[in-house]
Amino acid sequence: GQNIDQPTEMTATEGAIVQINCTYQTSGFNGLFWYQQHAGEAPTFLSYNVLDGLEEKGRFSSFLSRSKGYSYLLLKELQMKDSASYLCAVRAYTDKLIFGTGTRLQVFP
Amino acid sequence: DAGVIQSPRHEVTEMGQEVTLRCKPISGHDYLFWYRQTMMRGLELLIYFNNNVPIDDSGMPEDRFSAKMPNASFSTLKIQPSEPRDSAVYFCASNRAGSNQPQHFGDGTRLSIL
Repeated sequence: GQNIDQPTEMTATEGAIVQINCTYQTSGFNGLFWYQQHAGEAPTFLSYNVLDGLEEKGRFSSFLSRSKGYSYLLLKELQMKDSASYLCAVRAYTDKLIFGTGTRLQVFP
Repeated sequence: DAGVIQSPRHEVTEMGQEVTLRCKPISGHDYLFWYRQTMMRGLELLIYFNNNVPIDDSGMPEDRFSAKMPNASFSTLKIQPSEPRDSAVYFCASNRAGSNQPQHFGDGTRLSIL
């Protein structure tokens, strides 16, 4: 079967660093995506990993370990506007994405 | 470039009525996806098309739901008859061919069935 697990909720303080984990079990793997979704808005693409290692994009980084079926999204220098849901999604051997249920991050001042 | 365009943004209707949701994908994108999102079930894939052909409709909840893509720039999702449990946000997304291509989402249609 296909399964993607993420924590349901996380909280953090402005200026801090937070790591959002994602574990997956899928029949096939063609890449892992992270999306950000603010309340009442559409998901927007953040990052893509297909090889093991860390991909950095400004304050956001994403890590992948294919052998462990594990990824994380690292958010540095947190800002209030980073309060959102973060969705992990895997592209298996078909063209569709399998989404996790998302992690709701609340950033406090 | 214009993003994925969905209409209407909001729809409120009474149960039993027909509902039609519309989507214009990004020009040049080969794939189009319809999703439904609720608090309880998260983001669920309903159906997706490749080059206007339906590939996988296993997520369509029942025969009341149907989707078409008559050409590369337009798709519809129809619910007939609608029921209160269909209330959700419906997203359309599109992407180019390629395993590294991200899906780009429209702003969604917030549907309320009374």
